[in-house]
Amino acid sequence: DAGVIQSPRHEVTEMGQEVTLRCKPISGHNSLFWYRQTMMRGLELLIYFNNNVPIDDSGMPEDRFSAKMPNASFSTLKIQPSEPRDSAVYFCASRALSGQGQSPLHFGNGTRLTVT
Amino acid sequence: GEDVEQSLFLSVREGDSSVINCTYTDSSSTYLYWYKQEPGAGLQLLTYIFSNMDMKQDQRLTVLLNKKDKHLSLRIADTQTGDSAIYFCATRRNSGNTPLVFGKGTRLSVIA
Repeated sequence: DAGVIQSPRHEVTEMGQEVTLRCKPISGHNSLFWYRQTMMRGLELLIYFNNNVPIDDSGMPEDRFSAKMPNASFSTLKIQPSEPRDSAVYFCASRALSGQGQSPLHFGNGTRLTVT
Repeated sequence: GEDVEQSLFLSVREGDSSVINCTYTDSSSTYLYWYKQEPGAGLQLLTYIFSNMDMKQDQRLTVLLNKKDKHLSLRIADTQTGDSAIYFCATRRNSGNTPLVFGKGTRLSVIA
C-alpha cells in the first residue's frame, strides 16, 4: 500500500501564476479531502468528495480555488491566480466510505506551496 | 459548529509521562481521534476512541474520555525524543461521512 500520494512535494511560484496540486488516494478509498495547514489557522478543510462527487466546498477560500476529481484515483486542487497569502502546506487525505466511523483518514505528505 | 481546543505547546523530560489535553463542544461527537504529525510529513492516526468508552490503552498510549466535561486526553508513558511532534485531537459525528474537525495541534517537545 503506497499510501496517499501527493505531488509536487514543494512548489515555489510567483504571484499571479497558476498552481496545480495533485493527489492519488489509496486504492479502494472513495472519500477524498483537501486540507490547508498554516501556523495561524491550523488545519482547514477546503473541500471533500464522496465517490468523486464534491460534497462540501464551503471551505474553499475564494473563486481562485477549484478542485476536481475526474476519477476514483486522481484529484487536483488548482489556484488561479495564486497570491502570497496562499502559501501553506496543502494536504490530501482519503478514507473508505463506510457505515462505521472508524474507517481512518489517511493523509499524504503534503505539498508545501510558497507564492512570492 | 463544532470547536476543538488544545493547548499549543507542551515540554517534557525524556522518560516522564506526557499528557495532552483536548476539549470539544459537540456532544454528538461519536468518534474521537488522536493524530501525530512529524516534521515534513502528513498526519498519522495514533489511536481513536468511541464515545461509549471512557478509556483505551495501546502500549505506551492511554486515551481518557470524559463525556460529561467533553474532555479528551492522550497520555504517553515513558516519553522518548522520537515522540516529539505535533499531536492533533479530532472529533466526528456518526452521521454519514461527515469530515473530522481538528484542533490546532499541540507541539510536544521532549528534552533529553
